[in-house]
Amino acid sequence: DIQMTQSPSSLSASVGDTVSITCRASQSVNYYLNWYQQNAGEAPKLLIHSASSLQSAVPSRFSGSGSGTDFTLTISSLQPEDFATYYCQQTYSSPWTFGQGTRVEIK
Amino acid sequence: QVHLQESGPRLVKPSQTLSLTCTVSGASVNSGSYYWSWIRQLPGKGLEWIGYIYYSGVTHYNPSLKSRLLMSIDTSENQFSLSLNSVTAADTAMYFCARDMRAPTAFDLWGQGTMVIVSS
Repeated sequence: DIQMTQSPSSLSASVGDTVSITCRASQSVNYYLNWYQQNAGEAPKLLIHSASSLQSAVPSRFSGSGSGTDFTLTISSLQPEDFATYYCQQTYSSPWTFGQGTRVEIK
Repeated sequence: QVHLQESGPRLVKPSQTLSLTCTVSGASVNSGSYYWSWIRQLPGKGLEWIGYIYYSGVTHYNPSLKSRLLMSIDTSENQFSLSLNSVTAADTAMYFCARDMRAPTAFDLWGQGTMVIVSS
């Protein structure tokens, strides 16, 4: 299975900050990389697919980049509703696997 | 608006079978545009993809669960289901059903999830 490693595991930031979360794959996943946001007690929500394509209705302050083994999710001008846990997922090789998550907390 | 809703027993005894159903409204499971998937989240931990079923009945399972897993689809009821046998405490998790866009593979719609506890 392809292992997905996110860093950091958690971060503290303030409203208005720009934050970046990194996801590294144990082998190349080309651009088959998705990002999800999960609030406590809720289901994950798809933010970005195919490494950099913004899902419909997702605010443009979210962006994704990368290919191969290294990917980044960037949130510009952090909003109160963005404090959540974020997961990356590879869909290059079955079984699809997720990163362990990055928790974004209010500083 | 498309809505997915999981249902099934919340408590399952060890060695028995965990059975869940996902009812879809606002869209048809009899569509070749999507896969219908199950994902679980172990308490306090990350996400694990369980498998998917296509409208034709074709399935694709996570190898780690394949020997205990069976998925089915009922297009007349617009539902799809999961059966996981020989469960242990390690199967205690929040179980989500989700729609996979297929091209690309990504889960664009999720049910709210149902917590299943395996305990005697």
